[in-house]
Amino acid sequence: DAGVTQSPTHLIKTRGQQVTLRCSPISGHKSVSWYQQVLGQGPQFIFQYYEKEERGRGNFPDRFSARQFPNYSSELNVNALLLGDSALYLCASSLDAGGAGELFFGEGSRLTVL
Amino acid sequence: GEDVEQSLFLSVREGDSSVINCTYTDSSSTYLYWYKQEPGAGLQLLTYIFSNMDMKQDQRLTVLLNKKDKHLSLRIADTQTGDSAIYFCADPRTGNQFYFGTGTSLTVIP
Repeated sequence: DAGVTQSPTHLIKTRGQQVTLRCSPISGHKSVSWYQQVLGQGPQFIFQYYEKEERGRGNFPDRFSARQFPNYSSELNVNALLLGDSALYLCASSLDAGGAGELFFGEGSRLTVL
Repeated sequence: GEDVEQSLFLSVREGDSSVINCTYTDSSSTYLYWYKQEPGAGLQLLTYIFSNMDMKQDQRLTVLLNKKDKHLSLRIADTQTGDSAIYFCADPRTGNQFYFGTGTSLTVIP
């Protein structure tokens, strides 16, 4: 079975542009979460979606948005990019939205903002 | 995750044991997790411990949990060069929102 897949793997944008990152969860998983990992730090929670509804949002500005589709795949959008948005964006899937579920991570999308 | 703290670096010789420590602040988590991240890659689940246990052994890995002190540790026996990576402890909160430590970079010297 395929694991969590993310695209693109690498991308370069300039300040002020917009970016869309995509994620396909493990088959059968209904919850998708997004994390931002800045170089040298641990991942920080951005969003969680379950059954197409937002279940949680971390401390990120409104420039960050996401959605989940009927097939449980998800997109993360970031508008008006800043240099500080340069990071590895990780998508994780889990069976459900409960607090004891294991998270399975994709390889990430590395965003560089120039 | 300022609520989950780890030391930044650890260096050991091949064949020795490694101990990676983590302190956390939220005491309501049902499980606590250890993840491994190799360069340029995503996070791989290594092991986890249920909050009502104080020890869990899984082959070369031993997890110790001290709930009173909110301290979690990961011991890797017979450390190999392939164990060189960054190790994160993770504390799940509301729903499945994981709080990660800053990560401990383990270097194994041949």
